[in-house]
Order: sequence, then structure tokens, then C-alpha cells
Amino acid sequence: GQQVMQIPQYQHVQEGEDFTTYCNSSTTLSNIQWYKQRPGGHPVFLIQLVKSGEVKKQKRLTFQFGEAKKNSSLHITATQTTDVGTYFCAGPHKNSNYQLIWGAGTKLIIKP
Amino acid sequence: NAGVTQTPKFQVLKTGQSMTLQCAQDMNHEYMSWYRQDPGMGLRLIHYSVGAGITDQGEVPNGYNVSRSTTEDFPLRLLSAAPSQTSVYFCASSSSPVSSYNEQFFGPGTRLTVL
Repeated sequence: GQQVMQIPQYQHVQEGEDFTTYCNSSTTLSNIQWYKQRPGGHPVFLIQLVKSGEVKKQKRLTFQFGEAKKNSSLHITATQTTDVGTYFCAGPHKNSNYQLIWGAGTKLIIKP
Repeated sequence: NAGVTQTPKFQVLKTGQSMTLQCAQDMNHEYMSWYRQDPGMGLRLIHYSVGAGITDQGEVPNGYNVSRSTTEDFPLRLLSAAPSQTSVYFCASSSSPVSSYNEQFFGPGTRLTVL
């Protein structure tokens, strides 16, 4: 079945270092969404990408959608403690207008 | 606006018991969904609704029922709880289908343990 793979599962960084998570879909996606979930919290929408090759920035966060619309990445520059959490990507099911397929998430951990 | 609310926040059940997880939203969203989240996995869709009176199964519907009598409410029923249903359950709503601009708003979640 359709899958969205997300790597790495965990990333440990020193505060101030950069962080990147990658998302790869088994099928072409019409769009891709990114969410952040703080520890003990609920997913919160960050952004949706729609166009092939699209790049969007939100302050220190840069989101990219691949040319083939099968992969995406989220890059955080100079991480801060407020960035801690798990970042998920999600894309529409190829046969449904109502179902999202989610990646397993990448957990950002700041080393003490 | 309260957004999406869920009750209870925590629940412990014994195997075979039934219960209803409540979800309500005050944003007049047509689309509502129930997900479960297990460690190391992404969110998995249990059931969803595209409007009052219309529901459908998601990826993991077995053991769960839903109904949608109003736009605001979308309860999830566990018919006969099993330890495999130990999970965190999230309700979400959105104003449009996932194929278009689709920001999903999530409730705070219900942490369910089945003994």
C-alpha cells in the first residue's frame, strides 16, 4: 500500500546546530503537509506545500517539495530549545480526498 | 473559540469494557477524523466524517464505531476494549478535504490504557 517514509527517527543536536528531516512517498503527492508535536502535546499544522520544487520559509524553518512531488524536507537553522518535539509529514491518500498518510515522525532532541 | 475539545484526557479500561471518547469542534468544520498514535508510528486514521450523517472507515477501523449527528460532535465508541487499543487518540477537524488546502486542527488527545 501507499507509504510515507520519514528519516531519521531521532536526531540529537546541540543547541545552535541545524536539523533536517526527510520525507519520501511511494507515490506522487498532490500536496504535502508538515506538523509539529511538542512532548505530551498534539500535532500542530506548520505548512502545506503544493507546487513541484516549492520552497517556503518560516523564520528559521525551510520547507522543500521535490520536483517529482514524491519527497520533501524540513530544515531548521540554529536550533533552539523551543524547537524540541516531533516533526511529521503527511500526504493525501492516492485514492481518497479525505485520508492523509502520515510519516512516523522525526524527534528533535537537544543535547544538554 | 475553544477549537477542538476532547474528553476524557485519560482513561483506564478493563478488557471487554466499552466506552465513548467525546470530540467537539466550534469552527463549523465539515471534515472530522479520529486518529490513533502509537510509539514509533505516525498517526493512523480510524474513521472520518465529511459532514453530519456521513462517516466512513479509515485505515484501522476494527473495534471502533462512530456517528455524526451534528456538525459539532464526532464521538468514537470502543465496543469491547482490547489491550491492542491502548494508545493515544486524537480527534481532528478541517474546513476542506485533504486534496485541497487542508489545515487540520487537533484536539488535546485522550490517553487510553486497556488492562
